Order: sequence, then C-alpha cells, then structure tokens
Amino acid sequence: SAVISQKPSRDICQRGTSLTIQCQVDSQVTMMFWYRQQPGQSLTLIATANQGSEATYESGFVIDKFPISRPNLTFSTLTVSNMSPEDSSIYLCSVEDPGLAGRYYNEQFFGPGTRLTVL
Amino acid sequence: RKEVEQDPGPFNVPEGATVAFNCTYSNSASQSFFWYRQDCRKEPKLLMSVYSSGNEDGRFTAQLNRASQYISLLIRDSKLSDSATYLCVVYISGGYNKLIFGAGTRLAVHP
Repeated sequence: SAVISQKPSRDICQRGTSLTIQCQVDSQVTMMFWYRQQPGQSLTLIATANQGSEATYESGFVIDKFPISRPNLTFSTLTVSNMSPEDSSIYLCSVEDPGLAGRYYNEQFFGPGTRLTVL
Repeated sequence: RKEVEQDPGPFNVPEGATVAFNCTYSNSASQSFFWYRQDCRKEPKLLMSVYSSGNEDGRFTAQLNRASQYISLLIRDSKLSDSATYLCVVYISGGYNKLIFGAGTRLAVHP
C-alpha cells in the first residue's frame, strides 16, 4: 500500500482567496487523482493529475478554478481559486499504481483529506 | 440518471443481523467493481473487490451481475464496528482510468 499525506489537514478561508493543498506519497506512483466530497455527499472526481503534462479535468471542473501541478511521481498540488462558500468541502487525493501491491487490481489509496471551510 | 446508484439508507440494524446493500451502474464499459468503506470524517478505504463469480471475505460477501449491471454486498453477523458508510464504486478504463462513486449507504449497528 501507500502512505499518503495531505497539507493542510483543514483550513478556514475567506471568500475570494485561494488555497493550495499538497499531496505527498511515500513511493512513486503512476496515477494521482483529486476528489471533492461535499458535506453529506459522496466523492466526485475533479481531475487526474498527470506528471509532466496538464491535468485531465472531469466535466464541471476547469483549470482556472482548480489548477493542479504534478512535478514528479510522488507529489501533487491542487489549488482552489477565488473561493466561495460553495467550495466548502473535503478535498482528497488518491493514488493508483500496479507496484503498490494492493489486495486488488485497480485499487486506489486515499489521503486523509483536507477539510476546507470558506466563510 | 446517476452512473452509480445505491440504496439511500440509513440502515439501522441490531448486532448479529444480516444486512444487504444493492447497487446498480449504468456504464456497460465498467471494468472493475468495488465496495469501499468510509468511517465518519475519514477517507474511504477499500473493503473488497467484486467478481462475477462472487467473493467472500469473512462475514462479507460481494456479488456482481454484469447482465443486470447490479452489485450487492451482504454483511452477516453485524458488529458495532461495521457502522460506517458503504460506497459502491465502479472502475472505468478507456483513455484514462477513473473511479465512479455511488452516494453511499449508511449503516448503523446498535447493541
């Protein structure tokens, strides 16, 4: 499996500001993803973070609002830009790699999440 | 229509009960299927994968019916520690890979 850390674990931000969330993995992984989990809801995929190229965004999510970086195979950042209260959510990164020796093929491992509150 | 639909719950059951969760998916290109468990204020963790032949892991049994695009999870002899939200998840591969999550079914096991 993988050990995944996220920073910050939580934050309270003012409307109109931006927050960058970091995701660090203890081993090199092929695929990294960013999800959002709004209060009382399930997880929604924001984008796939591609190493060395632009992220692949899901419908409803755009790069201007959620710019993503992935400079190497162990690290990624997600920025939530020009925040509004509707952005209050938990943001999670996850990883997938055949070398992680998970119990099942295609298993993804999740970080602990970043709980964001926008006032 | 949502890509993955689950029983809304919550399910409130006594210890020792057997409980079953159902899930349907709409994308016939779905390749792999999972049940994840999410405890309150925690990240999701994989509970088990789901195979067409069915698979069992202790008190948990998962089934997949590809023709009906239906997935189930059975929990026998429920424990208090089983209280959590159970997420039905499908894996889609094609161009790039991604997981699609159901809304989750909340289970509360009481003494």
